Amino acid sequence: DAGITQSPRHKVTETGTPVTLRCHQTENHRYMYWYRQDPGHGLRLIHYSYGVKDTDKGEVSDGYSVSRSKTEDFLLTLESATSSQTSVYFCAIRLPGANEQFFGPGTRLTVL
Amino acid sequence: ELKVEQNPLFLSMQEGKNYTIYCNYSTTSDRLYWYRQDPGKSLESLFVLLSNGAVKQEGRLMASLDTKARLSTLHITAAVHDLSATYFCAVDMDSSYKLIFGSGTRLLVRP
Repeated sequence: DAGITQSPRHKVTETGTPVTLRCHQTENHRYMYWYRQDPGHGLRLIHYSYGVKDTDKGEVSDGYSVSRSKTEDFLLTLESATSSQTSVYFCAIRLPGANEQFFGPGTRLTVL
Repeated sequence: ELKVEQNPLFLSMQEGKNYTIYCNYSTTSDRLYWYRQDPGKSLESLFVLLSNGAVKQEGRLMASLDTKARLSTLHITAAVHDLSATYFCAVDMDSSYKLIFGSGTRLLVRP
């Protein structure tokens, strides 16, 4: 599993509340990614990071922010959750060399 | 904008049969990846294809890449029930190491 954990694994929250999801890796990989998975859309990139304090937007970044203050942690924040953000969120790291990405176990978020 | 299209989106096939999943993409890329996802689980890396003409095989699955046609195929030989899953292809987007995923092909292998 490339040493990736996500927390929480499941969360139910209400519209308008802030939510933070955490991705933790143990192997000092430089690149980390946040995706969301929705039926019929595959995986869509939200934000990614290429180092501590270095982040950039993906294709569906509106309503999300990220932070990376340590190599091992990449946080995804929904400042004010909406029902359209109900989804499964995956974190990934990129292995050097083959550019292959490995995925964490996922967080299922429900916004009521 | 890079687009990745998979077809079919759903495939129901009998055990023992052969079939191919197609992955087309819209701009130049030399790197393509195949992943498998079981229901309620994360994505598992299957194949990494890094150049034109690359072919990789693992058990009953074989993946190939034609960068000139912007096409990758995932061929299933003599399908078995354990291959039932959703398969995704993903293409590298320039040098930023961002992946663009297809919508996935849900494969159901019937006895």
